[in-house]
Amino acid sequence: AQSVTQPDIHITVSEGASLELRCNYSYGATPYLFWYVQSPGQGLQLLLKYFSGDTLVQGIKGFEAEFKRSQSSFNLRKPSVHWSDAAEYFCAVSYNNNDMRFGAGTRLTVKP
Amino acid sequence: DGGITQSPKYLFRKEGQNVTLSCEQNLNHDAMYWYRQDPGQGLRLIYYSQIVNDFQKGDIAEGYSVSREKKESFPLTVTSAQKNPTAFYLCASTKDPGSYEQYFGPGTRLTVT
Repeated sequence: AQSVTQPDIHITVSEGASLELRCNYSYGATPYLFWYVQSPGQGLQLLLKYFSGDTLVQGIKGFEAEFKRSQSSFNLRKPSVHWSDAAEYFCAVSYNNNDMRFGAGTRLTVKP
Repeated sequence: DGGITQSPKYLFRKEGQNVTLSCEQNLNHDAMYWYRQDPGQGLRLIYYSQIVNDFQKGDIAEGYSVSREKKESFPLTVTSAQKNPTAFYLCASTKDPGSYEQYFGPGTRLTVT
């Protein structure tokens, strides 16, 4: 079955520290890949996406993600976390826009 | 500013009542979607519509109904047949059926007691 796994339910990092959020997918071929961020009680905002080409993609708010085909992974990174980055992060994959699959999310807490 | 509007932000209903959640977009997008979000489960697709007067069931359509009479609007009705309706509901849209990037509304939190 097609699935998206975010292994970490909750991550806590100190402000200024680096961040990596993990995402693995289980599909027959390379899907389109997305990372979204959600603040409490709000909708989802697209951080970045990968369709093809360079496997390191840059997004908004200083985030980047790297697609690794051999590991079926699309991990999200940020070199230095800010307190405003505290939110829930969702990885999503799609083969067509009528079948976007979301991971369960990773909640990020930022310590002062 | 273009965007997706969902109203109301919070909705309370008694068990056994139908309730309709509003979703309006002024992005001139063709396709619209409804998702349900529960803690620890990510988003699950309820219904989607690629064009006016047409819509398709998603993974968890039972107990829900939709209409798409106008391009801008895609209301979702949560019927009394939905066994566990309390959840956060998100509406999204894409520019056209071939687009993959979904834009999301702010969501409606429905509580049924």
